[in-house]
Amino acid sequence: SAVISQKPSRDICQRGTSLTIQCQVDSQVTMMFWYRQQPGQSLTLIATANQGSEATYESGFVIDKFPISRPNLTFSTLTVSNMSPEDSSIYLCSVAGTGYGMDIQYFGAGTRLSVL
Amino acid sequence: KQEVTQIPAALSVPEGENLVLNCSFTDSAIYNLQWFRQDPGKGLTSLLLIQSSQREQTSGRLNASLDKSSGRSTLYIAASQPGDSATYLCAVPNRDDKIIFGKGTRLHILP
Repeated sequence: SAVISQKPSRDICQRGTSLTIQCQVDSQVTMMFWYRQQPGQSLTLIATANQGSEATYESGFVIDKFPISRPNLTFSTLTVSNMSPEDSSIYLCSVAGTGYGMDIQYFGAGTRLSVL
Repeated sequence: KQEVTQIPAALSVPEGENLVLNCSFTDSAIYNLQWFRQDPGKGLTSLLLIQSSQREQTSGRLNASLDKSSGRSTLYIAASQPGDSATYLCAVPNRDDKIIFGKGTRLHILP
């Protein structure tokens, strides 16, 4: 199993500001994922973060809005930039070990973001 | 394009009852299916992972089945308890290895 620590657990931010969410894993993992869950909706993948390369963004998400860092195999950050109320969501990081498709996917506790 | 549907969207049952949550997916070319639990405002907890070669998995009072050919999975919860109240999500990988989630079933167990 993997233990994921995600910070902050929640935050209330002003429009136009940025927030960086941190995700720390207790073991080295190849792939880390960032998801968004808007109110009443299921999870949507924002991007996949691989160590040593640029993150891969899903349709509808761009690097300028959601820059991601992956400096090593146990840590990643997601920044929500120039926030608007529409960015109010729960943001979750997730990891899978080797053999991505066959492994259980583990999630952090999430960051609940409210933008005023 | 893989799509995942969960029925019902919400369910309330008295404590002690057995219940079934349903999940269907449009592309049967999957290699696993996973059931998660999400408590309000929290992250996800993995409950059961079924590989494509398996038909079911059991963990305690939970039993998940998988029928790839019909694109369906069920999560059976026996002897439900108030602590089982949560949202249950199923998820499958698509052909690009991205995980696709259903919208979940909000379960409320009445004491």
